[in-house]
Amino acid sequence: NAGVMQNPRHLVRRRGQEARLRCSPMKGHSHVYWYRQLPEEGLKFMVYLQKENIIDESGMPKERFSAEFPKEGPSILRIQQVVRGDSAAYFCASSTNYNSPLHFGNGTRLTVT
Amino acid sequence: ELKVEQNPLFLSMQEGKNYTIYCNYSTTSDRLYWYRQDPGKSLESLFVLLSNGAVKQEGRLMASLDTKARLSTLHITAAVHDLSATYFCAVDNNYGGSQGNLIFGKGTKLSVKP
Repeated sequence: NAGVMQNPRHLVRRRGQEARLRCSPMKGHSHVYWYRQLPEEGLKFMVYLQKENIIDESGMPKERFSAEFPKEGPSILRIQQVVRGDSAAYFCASSTNYNSPLHFGNGTRLTVT
Repeated sequence: ELKVEQNPLFLSMQEGKNYTIYCNYSTTSDRLYWYRQDPGKSLESLFVLLSNGAVKQEGRLMASLDTKARLSTLHITAAVHDLSATYFCAVDNNYGGSQGNLIFGKGTKLSVKP
């Protein structure tokens, strides 16, 4: 059973470009979460999605960031017009239900130059 | 606002020694998690603690939870080099947060030296 798959592992973008981060949850998991980790910091919750629905986006910046989890295909975290402050590791996690721990992917390390 | 504080943030210890990492959180929460992260890697789930007095052990690591004190501890027994990593605790964000909305501590970076 493959784990949570994220790609790309590393992504370099120039200021003003768009970044698209992909996440395929573990097989059988329909709940997806995105977290951001700044250097030497803990993870910060961004958004929680179920298939085709955003359940909790309380941690998402109001502008430039969006997330989706379509009926078919991976979840996508999209960052428009990236700025240097967006440089971070972005982790996706999935779970089956409320009582199960989150399973994290290996993350996408975004560098904005 | 729910806050999670870990201490120490950095810990250098010798192989064979024992030590404890502490995790305090500011308001009540249903459950507490411990994760391990190796450099450049993802987070590995170590323990989920669901109730007051819960104690779980896996190898040289033992985690406990005191919900009245809002404190969890991760105890390391007879440390070995392979335990070198960053350890995070996290709690459910019950106040305005959904399932999976966790508040993480800043992590404890553990280095075990021979």
